[in-house]
Amino acid sequence: GQNIDQPTEMTATEGAIVQINCTYQTSGFNGLFWYQQHAGEAPTFLSYNVLDGLEEKGRFSSFLSRSKGYSYLLLKELQMKDSASYLCAVMDSNYQLIWGAGTKLIIKP
Amino acid sequence: GAVVSQHPSWVICKSGTSVKIECRSLDFQATTMFWYRQFPKQSLMLMATSNEGSKATYEQGVEKDKFLINHASLTLSTLTVTSAHPEDSSFYICSARVLHGWQGDSDTQYFGPGTRLTVL
Repeated sequence: GQNIDQPTEMTATEGAIVQINCTYQTSGFNGLFWYQQHAGEAPTFLSYNVLDGLEEKGRFSSFLSRSKGYSYLLLKELQMKDSASYLCAVMDSNYQLIWGAGTKLIIKP
Repeated sequence: GAVVSQHPSWVICKSGTSVKIECRSLDFQATTMFWYRQFPKQSLMLMATSNEGSKATYEQGVEKDKFLINHASLTLSTLTVTSAHPEDSSFYICSARVLHGWQGDSDTQYFGPGTRLTVL
């Protein structure tokens, strides 16, 4: 079956760095998405990786290793507003999205 | 874990026809379901909030007469794109909301795999 795994919850301190991991097993691969979702709001697109490597976008970076079925989202210089759920989703060979359950990130002062 | 399915996965239709997309929560009941539209490498755009047994709440700019939403049961919501046109071609995603505060899960959305609509 198809499966996406990511930690349920993580806690970090304001100003620090946090890495949210995502491992996947899917039938085919057409890219991996990271979304941020604040409670009661629609998910906001953060990144899309389809090739191996690290993509940096401001304070956020996303890494992909297709051979390992692994990705991570790196958040630097954490701010209180980064407290949210982070969703990992993989598009499979049928261009269907397989969603992780999301990682709730709690930022403490 | 909670599973949300969508049917169909793919649909290709002619301009002017109507298309119905189903969203089902398979192992749980959802009083609230959301319909989103995804543009390539962009955020999910919330179209409407579907509440079981009542009228859907549409976001600003979304035509309620074009995108008909019916939430007839606690496990099924449908989105009908009426008189579809090529500009309606998109990836439509639904999610089901679960409130389990007493279990500590609080407010969680479970997303469906999406339906790719192509209007010729």
